[in-house]
Amino acid sequence: NAGVTQTPKFRVLKTGQSMTLLCAQDMNHEYMYWYRQDPGMGLRLIHYSVGEGTTAKGEVPDGYNVSRLKKQNFLLGLESAAPSQTSVYFCATRELASYYNEQFFGPGTRLTVL
Amino acid sequence: GNSVTQMEGPVTLSEEAFLTINCTYTATGYPSLFWYVQYPGEGLQLLLKATKADDKGSNKGFEATYRKETTSFHLEKGSVQVSDSAVYFCALSANTGNQFYFGTGTSLTVIP
Repeated sequence: NAGVTQTPKFRVLKTGQSMTLLCAQDMNHEYMYWYRQDPGMGLRLIHYSVGEGTTAKGEVPDGYNVSRLKKQNFLLGLESAAPSQTSVYFCATRELASYYNEQFFGPGTRLTVL
Repeated sequence: GNSVTQMEGPVTLSEEAFLTINCTYTATGYPSLFWYVQYPGEGLQLLLKATKADDKGSNKGFEATYRKETTSFHLEKGSVQVSDSAVYFCALSANTGNQFYFGTGTSLTVIP
């Protein structure tokens, strides 16, 4: 089992360009999350999904859009990238049903916006 | 609301030293508490968890006890190794809502 995978691993964009980050999971988990990690700020939640076809905003959703058309995939889109979106992005999944279940993380995508 | 406050780093220890990383929380309801570890260039991995008051989570020589009276979940290890060098995150999951709340992380470097 691959667990949680993220594509791509690295990306450099110019200001104003767009891109999509893909998170894929083979654990059949209902919940999926997108975080960004910046130095000194820990993990901040961007968007999350509690099931196929659903999405919800997290702490820092501005400038990002998401879609969950299939249960196993959660896409994070940047329509017009800005230097402030330079960060490491992590996807996480969680099994349904209980608040004591942990999250499982992907390896991350390092994005630089010039 | 829900939040986690973690001891600021970075922390540098000699091999075989005792480690404590402090974590306190604020939560509505009855949270579950977690410690995650992040090795350089990798994603976060669950280190241990506790789901109710007075529970002790343990893994790889690390321990943390869920203390409701002090709203704390401090991470300890009796003898650290160079391979423990990483960033450690405390987190909580409330029994209401779908989100996790993470601390800002504590960087640990263990020197031989």
